Amino acid sequence: DGGITQSPKYLFRKEGQNVTLSCEQNLNHDAMYWYRQDPGQGLRLIYYSQIVNDFQKGDIAEGYSVSREKKESFPLTVTSAQKNPTAFYLCASSIGGYGNQPQHFGDGTRLSIL
Amino acid sequence: KQEVTQIPAALSVPEGENLVLNCSFTDSAIYNLQWFRQDPGKGLTSLLLIQSSQREQTSGRLNASLDKSSGRSTLYIAASQPGDSATYLCAVRPEAAGNKLTFGGGTRVLVKP
Repeated sequence: DGGITQSPKYLFRKEGQNVTLSCEQNLNHDAMYWYRQDPGQGLRLIYYSQIVNDFQKGDIAEGYSVSREKKESFPLTVTSAQKNPTAFYLCASSIGGYGNQPQHFGDGTRLSIL
Repeated sequence: KQEVTQIPAALSVPEGENLVLNCSFTDSAIYNLQWFRQDPGKGLTSLLLIQSSQREQTSGRLNASLDKSSGRSTLYIAASQPGDSATYLCAVRPEAAGNKLTFGGGTRVLVKP
Protein backbone atom coordinates (compact mmCIF):
# COMPACT_ATOMS: atom_id res chain seq x y z
CA ASP A 1 0.00 0.00 0.00
CA GLY A 2 1.19 3.52 -0.75
CA GLY A 3 1.58 5.82 2.19
CA ILE A 4 3.75 7.61 4.69
CA THR A 5 5.48 5.71 7.47
CA GLN A 6 6.75 7.44 10.57
CA SER A 7 8.90 5.69 13.16
CA PRO A 8 9.12 5.19 15.98
CA LYS A 9 5.58 5.77 17.24
CA TYR A 10 6.89 6.81 20.67
CA LEU A 11 10.32 8.28 21.46
CA PHE A 12 11.96 9.42 24.66
CA ARG A 13 14.78 11.92 24.84
CA LYS A 14 17.24 12.49 27.62
CA GLU A 15 18.54 15.95 28.46
CA GLY A 16 21.28 17.05 26.05
CA GLN A 17 20.53 14.29 23.57
CA ASN A 18 19.78 14.57 19.87
CA VAL A 19 17.09 12.25 18.51
CA THR A 20 16.06 11.54 14.93
CA LEU A 21 12.51 10.89 13.72
CA SER A 22 12.09 8.87 10.57
CA CYS A 23 9.66 9.63 7.73
CA GLU A 24 9.47 7.49 4.61
CA GLN A 25 6.98 7.74 1.75
CA ASN A 26 6.36 5.47 -1.24
CA LEU A 27 3.92 7.81 -2.97
CA ASN A 28 6.59 9.20 -5.31
CA HIS A 29 5.85 12.68 -3.94
CA ASP A 30 8.36 15.46 -4.51
CA ALA A 31 7.45 17.58 -1.49
CA MET A 32 7.69 16.59 2.17
CA TYR A 33 6.92 18.45 5.39
CA TRP A 34 7.45 18.24 9.14
CA TYR A 35 4.90 19.66 11.57
CA ARG A 36 4.74 19.91 15.33
CA GLN A 37 1.45 19.62 17.23
CA ASP A 38 1.08 20.63 20.87
CA PRO A 39 -1.93 19.52 22.96
CA GLY A 40 -5.16 21.19 21.89
CA GLN A 41 -3.43 23.16 19.17
CA GLY A 42 -3.14 23.07 15.44
CA LEU A 43 -0.03 22.11 13.50
CA ARG A 44 2.99 24.36 13.04
CA LEU A 45 5.46 23.90 10.20
CA ILE A 46 9.04 23.07 11.19
CA TYR A 47 10.76 22.36 7.83
CA TYR A 48 9.69 21.50 4.32
CA SER A 49 11.38 20.19 1.22
CA GLN A 50 10.10 20.71 -2.31
CA ILE A 51 12.69 18.51 -3.98
CA VAL A 52 15.62 16.23 -3.19
CA ASN A 53 18.68 18.01 -1.74
CA ASP A 54 16.66 21.11 -0.97
CA PHE A 55 14.79 22.17 2.17
CA GLN A 56 13.48 25.37 3.72
CA LYS A 57 12.79 26.53 7.27
CA GLY A 58 9.20 26.74 8.39
CA ASP A 59 7.77 28.84 11.19
CA ILE A 60 9.50 27.09 14.12
CA ALA A 61 12.79 25.65 12.78
CA GLU A 62 15.00 26.60 15.71
CA GLY A 63 16.40 23.52 17.48
CA TYR A 64 15.60 21.19 14.57
CA SER A 65 17.50 19.97 11.52
CA VAL A 66 16.57 17.92 8.44
CA SER A 67 18.11 16.31 5.40
CA ARG A 68 16.64 15.22 2.06
CA GLU A 69 19.16 12.94 0.39
CA LYS A 70 16.53 10.64 -1.11
CA LYS A 71 13.13 11.41 -2.56
CA GLU A 72 11.35 8.96 -0.27
CA SER A 73 13.02 9.98 3.01
CA PHE A 74 12.92 13.17 5.11
CA PRO A 75 14.33 12.56 8.61
CA LEU A 76 13.97 15.18 11.35
CA THR A 77 16.57 15.61 14.09
CA VAL A 78 15.47 17.23 17.33
CA THR A 79 18.65 18.70 18.77
CA SER A 80 19.53 19.51 22.36
CA ALA A 81 19.02 23.16 21.43
CA GLN A 82 15.26 22.54 21.30
CA LYS A 83 14.35 23.24 24.92
CA ASN A 84 10.73 22.18 24.76
CA PRO A 85 10.65 19.16 22.44
CA THR A 86 7.70 17.32 24.00
CA ALA A 87 5.06 17.22 21.27
CA PHE A 88 3.43 15.13 18.56
CA TYR A 89 5.41 15.27 15.31
CA LEU A 90 3.70 14.74 11.97
CA CYS A 91 5.27 14.21 8.58
CA ALA A 92 3.40 14.92 5.35
CA SER A 93 3.99 14.79 1.63
CA SER A 94 2.42 16.16 -1.52
CA ILE A 95 2.88 15.55 -5.24
CA GLY A 96 4.56 18.93 -5.65
CA GLY A 97 5.57 21.90 -3.58
CA TYR A 98 3.39 24.11 -5.72
CA GLY A 99 -0.06 23.78 -7.14
CA ASN A 100 -3.27 22.64 -5.56
CA GLN A 101 -2.17 19.24 -4.37
CA PRO A 102 -3.42 18.03 -0.97
CA GLN A 103 -0.97 16.99 1.71
CA HIS A 104 -1.05 13.40 2.99
CA PHE A 105 0.01 12.64 6.55
CA GLY A 106 1.70 9.86 8.46
CA ASP A 107 0.52 8.60 11.85
CA GLY A 108 2.95 10.69 13.85
CA THR A 109 5.69 10.24 16.46
CA ARG A 110 5.10 11.26 20.06
CA LEU A 111 8.29 12.62 21.65
CA SER A 112 8.67 12.94 25.41
CA ILE A 113 11.45 14.03 27.74
CA LEU A 114 12.83 11.58 30.29
CA LYS B 1 0.39 37.12 8.90
CA GLN B 2 -2.36 34.60 8.22
CA GLU B 3 -4.23 33.35 11.30
CA VAL B 4 -6.80 30.56 11.30
CA THR B 5 -9.37 30.20 14.09
CA GLN B 6 -11.80 27.40 14.84
CA ILE B 7 -14.60 28.03 17.31
CA PRO B 8 -15.79 26.23 19.37
CA ALA B 9 -12.79 24.22 20.52
CA ALA B 10 -15.08 21.36 21.54
CA LEU B 11 -18.59 20.28 20.64
CA SER B 12 -20.90 17.50 21.85
CA VAL B 13 -24.06 16.45 19.98
CA PRO B 14 -26.51 13.53 20.12
CA GLU B 15 -26.35 10.98 17.36
CA GLY B 16 -28.36 11.94 14.30
CA GLU B 17 -27.96 15.67 14.73
CA ASN B 18 -26.26 17.66 11.97
CA LEU B 19 -22.81 19.02 12.79
CA VAL B 20 -21.70 22.52 11.84
CA LEU B 21 -18.01 23.32 12.24
CA ASN B 22 -16.61 26.80 11.66
CA CYS B 23 -13.26 28.02 10.39
CA SER B 24 -12.22 31.65 9.93
CA PHE B 25 -9.05 33.11 8.45
CA THR B 26 -7.71 36.64 8.49
CA ASP B 27 -6.20 36.98 4.99
CA SER B 28 -8.48 36.23 2.06
CA ALA B 29 -5.52 35.76 -0.33
CA ILE B 30 -5.63 31.98 -0.20
CA TYR B 31 -5.06 29.32 -2.83
CA ASN B 32 -7.24 26.69 -1.20
CA LEU B 33 -8.68 25.50 2.09
CA GLN B 34 -8.54 21.94 3.36
CA TRP B 35 -10.52 20.14 6.07
CA PHE B 36 -8.91 17.26 7.96
CA ARG B 37 -10.02 14.70 10.50
CA GLN B 38 -7.70 13.57 13.30
CA ASP B 39 -8.40 10.60 15.56
CA PRO B 40 -6.67 10.51 18.98
CA GLY B 41 -2.95 9.79 18.65
CA LYS B 42 -3.17 9.55 14.87
CA GLY B 43 -2.21 11.57 11.85
CA LEU B 44 -4.53 13.66 9.70
CA THR B 45 -6.92 12.35 7.10
CA SER B 46 -7.87 14.77 4.35
CA LEU B 47 -11.66 15.16 4.04
CA LEU B 48 -12.24 17.94 1.53
CA LEU B 49 -10.15 20.48 -0.38
CA ILE B 50 -11.84 23.61 -1.72
CA GLN B 51 -10.06 25.69 -4.33
CA SER B 52 -10.26 29.46 -3.91
CA SER B 53 -12.49 29.70 -7.00
CA GLN B 54 -15.03 27.24 -5.58
CA ARG B 55 -17.90 27.89 -3.19
CA GLU B 56 -18.33 24.37 -1.88
CA GLN B 57 -17.26 20.74 -2.04
CA THR B 58 -19.28 17.65 -1.16
CA SER B 59 -18.34 14.09 -0.28
CA GLY B 60 -21.03 11.78 1.01
CA ARG B 61 -22.44 13.25 4.26
CA LEU B 62 -19.81 16.00 4.25
CA ASN B 63 -20.24 19.41 2.70
CA ALA B 64 -17.78 22.27 3.02
CA SER B 65 -18.46 25.84 1.97
CA LEU B 66 -16.00 28.66 1.39
CA ASP B 67 -16.63 32.40 1.50
CA LYS B 68 -13.21 33.79 0.68
CA SER B 69 -14.17 37.44 0.89
CA SER B 70 -15.43 37.12 4.46
CA GLY B 71 -12.67 34.70 5.48
CA ARG B 72 -14.96 31.82 6.47
CA SER B 73 -15.46 28.15 5.80
CA THR B 74 -18.03 25.82 7.26
CA LEU B 75 -17.97 22.03 7.37
CA TYR B 76 -21.39 20.36 7.59
CA ILE B 77 -21.70 16.72 8.59
CA ALA B 78 -25.22 15.40 8.08
CA ALA B 79 -26.86 12.88 10.39
CA SER B 80 -23.88 12.52 12.73
CA GLN B 81 -22.78 9.09 13.96
CA PRO B 82 -20.61 8.06 16.94
CA GLY B 83 -17.88 7.21 14.41
CA ASP B 84 -17.72 10.89 13.49
CA SER B 85 -16.21 11.63 16.92
CA ALA B 86 -12.77 13.10 16.25
CA THR B 87 -10.95 16.42 16.01
CA TYR B 88 -11.58 18.38 12.83
CA LEU B 89 -8.92 20.80 11.59
CA CYS B 90 -9.04 23.32 8.81
CA ALA B 91 -5.97 24.65 7.03
CA VAL B 92 -5.47 27.35 4.42
CA ARG B 93 -2.78 27.60 1.81
CA PRO B 94 -1.84 31.29 1.44
CA GLU B 95 -1.29 32.43 -2.16
CA ALA B 96 2.33 33.39 -1.70
CA ALA B 97 3.47 30.45 0.42
CA GLY B 98 4.12 27.55 -1.95
CA ASN B 99 2.32 24.53 -0.54
CA LYS B 100 2.74 25.60 3.10
CA LEU B 101 -0.41 25.29 5.17
CA THR B 102 -1.59 27.39 8.10
CA PHE B 103 -3.74 25.38 10.51
CA GLY B 104 -6.50 26.25 12.93
CA GLY B 105 -6.49 24.78 16.43
CA GLY B 106 -9.23 22.27 15.65
CA THR B 107 -12.69 21.46 16.97
CA ARG B 108 -12.99 18.30 19.06
CA VAL B 109 -16.32 16.60 18.33
CA LEU B 110 -18.11 14.01 20.43
CA VAL B 111 -21.21 12.34 19.02
CA LYS B 112 -23.15 10.62 21.79
CA PRO B 113 -25.08 7.43 20.96
